[in-house]
Amino acid sequence: EAQVTQNPRYLITVTGKKLTVTCSQNMNHEYMSWYRQDPGLGLRQIYYSMNVEVTDKGDVPEGYKVSRKEKRNFPLILESPSPNQTSLYFCASSPLNTGELFFGEGSRLTVL
Amino acid sequence: DQQVKQNSPSLSVQEGRISILNCDYTNSMFDYFLWYKKYPAEGPTFLISISSIKDKNEDGRFTVFLNKSAKHLSLHIVPSQPGDSAVYFCAAKRGNSNSGYALNFGKGTSLLVTP
Repeated sequence: EAQVTQNPRYLITVTGKKLTVTCSQNMNHEYMSWYRQDPGLGLRQIYYSMNVEVTDKGDVPEGYKVSRKEKRNFPLILESPSPNQTSLYFCASSPLNTGELFFGEGSRLTVL
Repeated sequence: DQQVKQNSPSLSVQEGRISILNCDYTNSMFDYFLWYKKYPAEGPTFLISISSIKDKNEDGRFTVFLNKSAKHLSLHIVPSQPGDSAVYFCAAKRGNSNSGYALNFGKGTSLLVTP
């Protein structure tokens, strides 16, 4: 089954404790991206990747890091989480240049 | 700065009638537009798209219209069904596979189709 898998789905953590949200896709897609969804703000892009070792900032990259060492994986790293990073995070992938994203089910992160 | 705007946070329509969801954009560099549908506790799913060189694309009950001069697109659902009740996001793409590209999303419109 074609899918984008995110882990963990739910996480409560404390300020400053590094965490990683993993994302994996099994569709051999070149393009992968991270979004956060906040009430009243919709979906905002954090980072995206056009292919292995190629990443770029989206609209809200501050406080986040990403890496793309393998085509299927695109982890989101919060080096020192803060309460304003409490949000619902979505990973997505697509074939190159279509914009037709396949989304994961989301990861709800709470930073206390 | 919100480059893709959905000015109606919610819309209620009776079953069988037409639902019209609207989206405006400000960046003339957008070359591809998409609609996504999102149910609670799920990720968004792709619904329909349109290239900037077209003005209409139809897929079953769903039709997207693009008015480039007005920088406006709309999604028509005919006839509306209760299962269409969801949040609909408008998205726009700029850039290409050579330069890198990003998708900008609107804030979403919550559609409720009542029996």
